Amino acid sequence: DVKVTQSSRYLVKRTGEKVFLECVQDMDHENMFWYRQDPGLGLRLIYFSYDVKMKEKGDIPEGYSVSREKKERFSLILESASTSQTSMYLCASSPPLGGDSNQPQHFGDGTRLSIL
Amino acid sequence: AQSVTQPDIHITVSEGASLELRCNYSYGATPYLFWYVQSPGQGLQLLLKYFSGDTLVQGIKGFEAEFKRSQSSFNLRKPSVHWSDAAEYFCALGFRGTYKYIFGTGTRLKVLA
Repeated sequence: DVKVTQSSRYLVKRTGEKVFLECVQDMDHENMFWYRQDPGLGLRLIYFSYDVKMKEKGDIPEGYSVSREKKERFSLILESASTSQTSMYLCASSPPLGGDSNQPQHFGDGTRLSIL
Repeated sequence: AQSVTQPDIHITVSEGASLELRCNYSYGATPYLFWYVQSPGQGLQLLLKYFSGDTLVQGIKGFEAEFKRSQSSFNLRKPSVHWSDAAEYFCALGFRGTYKYIFGTGTRLKVLA
């Protein structure tokens, strides 16, 4: 089975701190994604990466950056954390687009981040 | 505009009763559709997916979903709900040939003993 591991289940940080959320997948997937999940809003895409050192902005990239130096690891960075970034963050990975079908994403267990 | 709508925010059913969770989508081409389940404190687990072909799709944990193009719907069903099915359920739309997915806002299922 695909395993997507997020380094922290719960994290508490202070306003203005630089925050790193780490995600590792063990299935050699090309694609990796970061979402934030808020009640009533579903999942919103922050960034995704389709290859090492390649990244594209999602729907809500403001205040975030990402890093993908190795294929298995995708990091989300909050440059200067704000209380509005308190949320659940989900990492996902998927194989490359194949043939005529999109591959489903595999999700980690999430990091619940609180910014005080 | 492309969108996914889950009209029911909360649903409560009794254990053993049947279940149907609604999902409507808006997309100009043939969609890729997914249902995920999220247990408390967990990530999302794929229940089933529709790419093409048979419009009735079987998934894990006894779930199935039916794709109806004429109604732009992909409703999730289970004939007999178990207490362990209490969770949040998300419908998602994938865009052919891209990395983009859109998720619905979720339906939280409560199961009464």
